[in-house]
Amino acid sequence: GEDVEQSLFLSVREGDSSVINCTYTDSSSTYLYWYKQEPGAGLQLLTYIFSNMDMKQDQRLTVLLNKKDKHLSLRIADTQTGDSAIYFCAVVSGSARQLTFGSGTQLTVLP
Amino acid sequence: DARVTQTPRHKVTEMGQEVTMRCQPILGHNTVFWYRQTMMQGLELLAYFRNRAPLDDSGMPKDRFSAEMPDATLATLKIQPSEPRDSAVYFCASGQGSTDTQYFGPGTRLTVL
Repeated sequence: GEDVEQSLFLSVREGDSSVINCTYTDSSSTYLYWYKQEPGAGLQLLTYIFSNMDMKQDQRLTVLLNKKDKHLSLRIADTQTGDSAIYFCAVVSGSARQLTFGSGTQLTVLP
Repeated sequence: DARVTQTPRHKVTEMGQEVTMRCQPILGHNTVFWYRQTMMQGLELLAYFRNRAPLDDSGMPKDRFSAEMPDATLATLKIQPSEPRDSAVYFCASGQGSTDTQYFGPGTRLTVL
């Protein structure tokens, strides 16, 4: 089955850019998502990218997809303390078209 | 602003008791998913429905868990009997099958003593 990997922790200074990385194994993946989870809350859909795209930009968020390397990244520009959360990468794949989630990256924004 | 709602938000119960969690998907969505989140296992898919029909419940312990959709506006997840290892946050998500995008509810935090 699909395997999605993320690093567990990332710390950045307020105002800097954050880059959260994700790798996956199924080359037939069609949709790739980024979700944000704040403490005690559900997963909030941030953005997604279709597999036929290389990049998608949405305000402070930039998603980059390298299909050859099966690598997805989320860049947050001008990171703020409110961006502190867990970020999940999720990939749709397989005939069942289910989402497979990574373990999540805990982003800590330092003042 | 359409959202997935879940009740209760918190549940504390004793081992052996029945627990029922409810989910109201976003109106018009035809897929519903149940996930469990724990520190050790992360997010696990328990079951999912399309047009109210169960498509996959292979992630669910069959002997004690059951998931149903009595109608298009309600999905339920039941645990009977509950055990301490069931303590987790249970999320419901809904989507429109054509896009695969899932929208999550706020979750039910279950503690089984």
